[in-house]
Amino acid sequence: IVLTQSPGTLSLSPGERATLSCRASQSINTNYLAWYQQKPGQAPRLLIYATSSRAVAFPDRFSGSGSGTDFTLTISRLEPEDFAVYYCQHYGASPGTFGQGTKVEIK
Amino acid sequence: QVQLVESGGGVVQPGRSLRLSCASSGFTFSNYAMHWVRQAPGKGLEWVAIISYDGNNEYYPDSVKGRFTISRDNSKNTVFLQMNSLRPDDTAVYYCARDGTYYGSGSPLKYWGQGTLVTVSS
Repeated sequence: IVLTQSPGTLSLSPGERATLSCRASQSINTNYLAWYQQKPGQAPRLLIYATSSRAVAFPDRFSGSGSGTDFTLTISRLEPEDFAVYYCQHYGASPGTFGQGTKVEIK
Repeated sequence: QVQLVESGGGVVQPGRSLRLSCASSGFTFSNYAMHWVRQAPGKGLEWVAIISYDGNNEYYPDSVKGRFTISRDNSKNTVFLQMNSLRPDDTAVYYCARDGTYYGSGSPLKYWGQGTLVTVSS
Protein backbone atom coordinates (compact mmCIF):
# COMPACT_ATOMS: atom_id res chain seq x y z
CA ILE A 1 0.00 0.00 0.00
CA VAL A 2 1.39 3.40 -1.02
CA LEU A 3 0.43 6.47 0.99
CA THR A 4 0.49 9.84 -0.75
CA GLN A 5 0.35 12.95 1.39
CA SER A 6 -0.67 16.38 0.21
CA PRO A 7 0.25 19.10 0.11
CA GLY A 8 3.99 18.71 0.45
CA THR A 9 4.20 22.00 2.29
CA LEU A 10 1.47 24.01 3.98
CA SER A 11 2.24 27.65 4.75
CA LEU A 12 -0.10 29.02 7.38
CA SER A 13 -0.20 31.56 10.18
CA PRO A 14 -0.75 30.82 13.87
CA GLY A 15 -4.45 30.60 14.60
CA GLU A 16 -5.32 29.27 11.17
CA ARG A 17 -6.77 25.85 10.42
CA ALA A 18 -4.56 23.18 8.86
CA THR A 19 -5.93 20.32 6.79
CA LEU A 20 -3.52 17.56 5.78
CA SER A 21 -4.42 14.75 3.42
CA CYS A 22 -3.23 11.16 3.21
CA ARG A 23 -4.45 9.05 0.30
CA ALA A 24 -3.87 5.29 0.11
CA SER A 25 -3.39 3.29 -3.07
CA GLN A 26 -6.01 0.83 -1.82
CA SER A 27 -8.62 0.76 0.90
CA ILE A 28 -7.28 0.67 4.46
CA ASN A 29 -8.92 -0.63 7.62
CA THR A 30 -9.41 2.49 9.75
CA ASN A 31 -7.92 0.65 12.72
CA TYR A 32 -4.52 0.80 11.05
CA LEU A 33 -3.94 4.43 10.07
CA ALA A 34 -1.76 6.69 12.22
CA TRP A 35 -0.28 10.17 12.12
CA TYR A 36 3.06 11.28 13.57
CA GLN A 37 4.51 14.70 14.30
CA GLN A 38 8.22 15.29 13.86
CA LYS A 39 10.19 18.39 14.77
CA PRO A 40 13.76 19.06 13.60
CA GLY A 41 16.33 16.91 15.36
CA GLN A 42 13.69 14.85 17.14
CA ALA A 43 12.20 11.40 16.69
CA PRO A 44 8.65 11.15 15.39
CA ARG A 45 5.89 11.26 18.00
CA LEU A 46 2.69 9.29 17.68
CA LEU A 47 -0.14 11.79 17.35
CA ILE A 48 -3.20 9.90 16.06
CA TYR A 49 -3.85 6.16 15.81
CA ALA A 50 -6.75 4.13 14.49
CA THR A 51 -7.60 7.09 12.22
CA SER A 52 -9.12 9.29 14.92
CA SER A 53 -7.81 8.35 18.39
CA ARG A 54 -5.57 11.05 19.75
CA ALA A 55 -2.48 10.27 21.81
CA VAL A 56 -2.75 11.62 25.36
CA ALA A 57 0.16 14.03 24.95
CA PHE A 58 -1.63 16.05 22.30
CA PRO A 59 -4.41 18.63 22.74
CA ASP A 60 -7.85 18.37 21.21
CA ARG A 61 -7.12 20.88 18.48
CA PHE A 62 -5.67 17.85 16.66
CA SER A 63 -8.18 15.50 15.06
CA GLY A 64 -8.11 12.70 12.52
CA SER A 65 -10.78 11.38 10.22
CA GLY A 66 -11.32 9.35 7.09
CA SER A 67 -12.11 5.98 5.67
CA GLY A 68 -11.36 3.80 2.68
CA THR A 69 -8.51 5.50 0.85
CA ASP A 70 -8.83 9.10 2.08
CA PHE A 71 -7.69 10.27 5.49
CA THR A 72 -7.30 13.72 7.00
CA LEU A 73 -5.43 15.29 9.88
CA THR A 74 -6.90 18.60 11.01
CA ILE A 75 -5.33 21.14 13.33
CA SER A 76 -8.14 23.49 14.24
CA ARG A 77 -6.06 26.50 15.32
CA LEU A 78 -2.33 26.38 14.78
CA GLU A 79 -0.15 27.11 17.77
CA PRO A 80 3.54 28.02 17.34
CA GLU A 81 4.58 24.56 18.59
CA ASP A 82 2.52 22.82 15.88
CA PHE A 83 4.80 23.85 13.04
CA ALA A 84 6.46 20.57 12.13
CA VAL A 85 6.39 17.71 9.64
CA TYR A 86 3.48 15.27 9.80
CA TYR A 87 3.56 11.71 8.48
CA CYS A 88 0.73 9.28 7.98
CA GLN A 89 1.37 5.57 8.42
CA HIS A 90 -0.39 2.34 7.60
CA TYR A 91 0.43 -0.37 10.14
CA GLY A 92 -1.93 -3.15 9.13
CA ALA A 93 0.78 -5.33 7.65
CA SER A 94 4.45 -6.09 8.08
CA PRO A 95 6.12 -4.01 6.96
CA GLY A 96 3.78 -1.07 7.00
CA THR A 97 4.31 2.12 5.06
CA PHE A 98 4.74 5.83 5.69
CA GLY A 99 3.60 8.72 3.60
CA GLN A 100 6.27 11.12 2.41
CA GLY A 101 5.24 13.81 4.89
CA THR A 102 3.63 17.25 4.94
CA LYS A 103 5.57 20.17 6.33
CA VAL A 104 3.48 22.77 8.12
CA GLU A 105 5.48 25.98 8.10
CA ILE A 106 4.89 29.48 9.37
CA LYS A 107 3.68 31.83 6.67
CA GLN B 1 9.11 4.68 31.71
CA VAL B 2 9.91 3.18 28.32
CA GLN B 3 13.39 4.03 27.09
CA LEU B 4 15.08 3.08 23.84
CA VAL B 5 18.71 4.04 23.34
CA GLU B 6 20.43 3.43 20.01
CA SER B 7 24.17 3.21 19.56
CA GLY B 8 26.71 2.11 17.02
CA GLY B 9 26.33 4.77 14.35
CA GLY B 10 29.23 6.51 12.72
CA VAL B 11 31.07 7.07 9.47
CA VAL B 12 31.78 3.99 7.37
CA GLN B 13 33.14 3.45 3.88
CA PRO B 14 30.95 2.06 1.09
CA GLY B 15 30.92 -1.72 1.06
CA ARG B 16 31.77 -2.02 4.75
CA SER B 17 29.63 -3.20 7.64
CA LEU B 18 28.18 -1.66 10.78
CA ARG B 19 26.15 -3.02 13.68
CA LEU B 20 23.62 -0.89 15.48
CA SER B 21 22.24 -1.66 18.92
CA CYS B 22 19.13 -0.49 20.72
CA ALA B 23 19.02 -1.01 24.47
CA SER B 24 15.54 -1.06 25.97
CA SER B 25 14.18 -0.53 29.46
CA GLY B 26 10.95 0.20 31.26
CA PHE B 27 8.91 -2.62 29.77
CA THR B 28 8.96 -6.40 29.26
CA PHE B 29 11.12 -6.48 26.16
CA SER B 30 10.38 -10.09 25.24
CA ASN B 31 6.67 -9.32 24.80
CA TYR B 32 7.00 -6.91 21.86
CA ALA B 33 8.09 -6.81 18.27
CA MET B 34 10.75 -4.22 17.52
CA HIS B 35 11.38 -2.04 14.48
CA TRP B 36 14.19 -0.15 12.84
CA VAL B 37 13.13 2.92 10.86
CA ARG B 38 15.52 5.23 9.06
CA GLN B 39 15.44 8.79 7.79
CA ALA B 40 17.86 10.06 5.18
CA PRO B 41 18.92 13.72 5.60
CA GLY B 42 15.99 15.96 4.72
CA LYS B 43 13.84 12.99 3.70
CA GLY B 44 10.93 10.99 5.06
CA LEU B 45 10.66 7.86 7.17
CA GLU B 46 11.47 4.41 5.78
CA TRP B 47 10.92 1.08 7.48
CA VAL B 48 14.13 -0.94 7.55
CA ALA B 49 13.37 -4.07 9.56
CA ILE B 50 10.94 -5.65 11.97
CA ILE B 51 11.51 -8.58 14.30
CA SER B 52 8.87 -10.50 16.20
CA TYR B 53 8.88 -10.80 19.99
CA ASP B 54 10.66 -14.16 19.91
CA GLY B 55 13.02 -13.41 17.06
CA ASN B 56 11.49 -16.04 14.80
CA ASN B 57 10.00 -13.65 12.24
CA GLU B 58 11.73 -10.86 10.38
CA TYR B 59 10.59 -8.47 7.68
CA TYR B 60 12.61 -6.25 5.36
CA PRO B 61 11.87 -3.95 2.44
CA ASP B 62 13.54 -4.76 -0.87
CA SER B 63 15.93 -1.83 -0.42
CA VAL B 64 17.82 -3.64 2.37
CA LYS B 65 16.85 -7.30 1.95
CA GLY B 66 19.92 -9.50 1.80
CA ARG B 67 22.17 -6.79 3.21
CA PHE B 68 20.60 -5.98 6.60
CA THR B 69 19.76 -8.41 9.39
CA ILE B 70 17.74 -7.65 12.48
CA SER B 71 18.19 -9.74 15.61
CA ARG B 72 17.43 -9.50 19.29
CA ASP B 73 18.73 -10.73 22.62
CA ASN B 74 15.80 -10.93 25.00
CA SER B 75 18.12 -11.68 27.91
CA LYS B 76 19.79 -8.30 27.37
CA ASN B 77 16.70 -6.32 26.27
CA THR B 78 18.51 -5.32 23.12
CA VAL B 79 17.72 -5.33 19.42
CA PHE B 80 20.43 -5.18 16.77
CA LEU B 81 20.72 -4.20 13.14
CA GLN B 82 23.61 -5.72 11.24
CA MET B 83 24.22 -3.70 8.09
CA ASN B 84 26.48 -5.16 5.40
CA SER B 85 27.53 -3.93 1.97
CA LEU B 86 26.65 -0.41 2.94
CA ARG B 87 25.96 2.14 0.22
CA PRO B 88 25.93 5.94 0.27
CA ASP B 89 22.14 5.90 0.03
CA ASP B 90 22.03 4.05 3.38
CA THR B 91 23.14 7.31 5.00
CA ALA B 92 20.43 8.17 7.51
CA VAL B 93 19.42 8.51 11.11
CA TYR B 94 18.38 5.06 12.28
CA TYR B 95 15.65 4.86 14.89
CA CYS B 96 14.53 1.84 16.83
CA ALA B 97 10.90 1.74 17.85
CA ARG B 98 8.71 -0.52 19.92
CA ASP B 99 5.64 -2.18 18.50
CA GLY B 100 2.51 -2.85 20.54
CA THR B 101 2.13 -6.45 19.39
CA TYR B 102 4.05 -9.71 19.26
CA TYR B 103 4.57 -9.84 15.52
CA GLY B 104 4.93 -6.27 14.27
CA SER B 105 1.67 -5.47 12.56
CA GLY B 106 -1.54 -3.97 13.83
CA SER B 107 0.02 -1.44 16.20
CA PRO B 108 1.36 2.09 15.72
CA LEU B 109 4.81 2.99 17.01
CA LYS B 110 4.31 4.79 20.30
CA TYR B 111 7.89 4.58 21.55
CA TRP B 112 10.98 5.67 19.63
CA GLY B 113 14.64 6.08 20.46
CA GLN B 114 16.53 9.29 19.76
CA GLY B 115 18.23 7.81 16.71
CA THR B 116 21.81 7.17 15.67
CA LEU B 117 23.40 8.66 12.56
CA VAL B 118 25.02 6.41 9.98
CA THR B 119 27.08 8.10 7.29
CA VAL B 120 28.34 6.00 4.38
CA SER B 121 31.10 7.87 2.61
CA SER B 122 34.59 7.33 1.30
